[in-house]
Amino acid sequence: VQVVESGGGSVKSGTSLTLSCEISRINFSNAWPSWVRQAPGKGLEWVGRIKSWSEGGTTDYAAPVKGRFTISRDDSRSTLYLQIDSLKTEDTGVYYCATGIVTGTSYWGQGTLVTVSS
Amino acid sequence: QSALTQPPSASGSPGQSVTISCTGTSSDIGAYNYVSWYQHFPGKAPKVMIYEVSRRPSGVPDRFSGAKSGNTASLTVSGLQPEDEADYYCCSYSGDSYVFGTGTKVTVL
Repeated sequence: VQVVESGGGSVKSGTSLTLSCEISRINFSNAWPSWVRQAPGKGLEWVGRIKSWSEGGTTDYAAPVKGRFTISRDDSRSTLYLQIDSLKTEDTGVYYCATGIVTGTSYWGQGTLVTVSS
Repeated sequence: QSALTQPPSASGSPGQSVTISCTGTSSDIGAYNYVSWYQHFPGKAPKVMIYEVSRRPSGVPDRFSGAKSGNTASLTVSGLQPEDEADYYCCSYSGDSYVFGTGTKVTVL
């Protein structure tokens, strides 16, 4: 299984950014992948998750990001997305894509770094 | 949803045991048997060491064990090895969301 995030970079506060995550060699259409972030010097923080289309394709978000973060998926490309609007300096960190967070078959990428400056 | 509480650090000499606690609430750890423990090296992908409270994925040494009592989960590393020095995070399902612990840095003396 390969999990590869992309799309990070240095951006200005108030702008938007979309991260991508391609997950290969799993049945992506059945997966409920999540985004997890880690601010500099801080711990892991669950950001949100999207269910499979067979389960409605609904999304759930952590309270601190609700309303500014949008998770979507393209099963034809085995790709997960995270759109971040109105970026804040506190959004700075490494963003990880992961599947099966509380299962024994949990796959994570190496993360993509987002740096937000004012 | 507040982060689960872990001690910031733990340490032990090679061959000793170290236990890390993870305290949550009746809405997360106390409500579900979906607690995982992750080993994380900076710049690397986190690796699941324990899932569903006490189950070990294939390939994880049996030196790693997990348990839960009430709203608190724990990870024990027996027979510490130098390569066990890393950050460890607990994670619990919390009803359509997940919550991670604050993280514990394990040092092998």
